[in-house]
Amino acid sequence: DAGVIQSPRHEVTEMGQEVTLRCKPISGHNSLFWYRQTMMRGLELLIYFNNNVPIDDSGMPEDRFSAKMPNASFSTLKIQPSEPRDSAVYFCASSRVDGELFFGEGSRLTVL
Amino acid sequence: AQSVAQPEDQVNVAEGNPLTVKCTYSVSGNPYLFWYVQYPNRGLQFLLKYITGDNLVKGSYGFEAEFNKSQTSFHLKKPSALVSDSALYFCAVRDGSQGNLIFGKGTKLSVKP
Repeated sequence: DAGVIQSPRHEVTEMGQEVTLRCKPISGHNSLFWYRQTMMRGLELLIYFNNNVPIDDSGMPEDRFSAKMPNASFSTLKIQPSEPRDSAVYFCASSRVDGELFFGEGSRLTVL
Repeated sequence: AQSVAQPEDQVNVAEGNPLTVKCTYSVSGNPYLFWYVQYPNRGLQFLLKYITGDNLVKGSYGFEAEFNKSQTSFHLKKPSALVSDSALYFCAVRDGSQGNLIFGKGTKLSVKP
């Protein structure tokens, strides 16, 4: 199995630009999670989906962040406009209904 | 509300010695407990989980964890540490079989030769 695939691995952008992060979950997994990791705040859940439906988006920082899951094999996390404080590593993870999470390698975002 | 505490920011161990990384949790229902490891510039890797059954759970790379309901703890252990075990370790809890995992802030394990 290829595991959870995230792209891009690294993104450097300027403040105000739109950023789109992509995730392909493991085939057969029906839950998908987006986390953000920073030194200051650790690992924070942004949003998670069950069967492509957003279940909990209470961790999404503000309206600048949006996430979609148009089908079972693809999800995006978009930041528009980006700000320097959005700099972090963004992880996507997937799981079966009652199973452990499998994480991607992360997308490291730097907003200048 | 569910929560996880990892009281130690860092644990230092000599190679060959036993190691313990501590974790306590709080949930209102049945706890599903997990340990993950993160190496530099990598994603989190699953080590082991407790759902039900035997309180001692064995996982990857020789790690094990002991579930203690009365102390609401789920400490990670290994009988003999390796230098290659040096990494960041996360404990996580889920209240029941479905939903989000709540992660602790992580414990950095440093194993010296």
